[in-house]
Amino acid sequence: QQQVKQSPQSLIVQKGGISIINCAYENTAFDYFPWYQQFPGKGPALLIAIRPDVSEKKEGRFTISFNKSAKQFSLHIMDSQPGDSATYFCAASMGGTYKYIFGTGTRLKVLA
Amino acid sequence: NAGVTQTPKFQVLKTGQSMTLQCAQDMNHNSMYWYRQDPGMGLRLIYYSASEGTTDKGEVPNGYNVSRLNKREFSLRLESAAPSQTSVYFCASSTTGTTGELFFGEGSRLTVL
Repeated sequence: QQQVKQSPQSLIVQKGGISIINCAYENTAFDYFPWYQQFPGKGPALLIAIRPDVSEKKEGRFTISFNKSAKQFSLHIMDSQPGDSATYFCAASMGGTYKYIFGTGTRLKVLA
Repeated sequence: NAGVTQTPKFQVLKTGQSMTLQCAQDMNHNSMYWYRQDPGMGLRLIYYSASEGTTDKGEVPNGYNVSRLNKREFSLRLESAAPSQTSVYFCASSTTGTTGELFFGEGSRLTVL
């Protein structure tokens, strides 16, 4: 119930392509879904986040698509660049608690 | 602007030794967290502190203790280190509860032999 399942584990995309990372959750009490980006040797940093009252949120080349009925959300990176090569984590949390549940991560490599 | 600072960055311990990981934030955040990151496991919450003077267990608290020394500082102690505690540890802070953005430190890589 508390897990957030993330796929794929790794992803290789050509420069200019679209990168898609998927996450699924079970607990319908989750009400906040962020994505974090982590470069080697650094801590994760917030990339983009969404609440379940909207189905999509876009910030630049990054878009979150949210399907409440399917309990799934995904990150789309348009026009992927080599600088996007990093590990991406989805996460979920619920109001009134401080416990973010993270997915297992996706290592993205964008080929030049 | 330092953000979240963790020390040490690297540490090697022998089984049974103890050590404390230090974390300080200069963003006046109320909430602080300790996570561990292991390959294929993502980030798992060890302990968190919603506000100064409070601490609570996360997903994987066994073998760890924490102290919220003041609003800025939150330390993680391993009393008797075990090889299973070999990991990269991240401290984070946030302004509010679940909807607050987490600001992470750069991590502390711990190896227990």
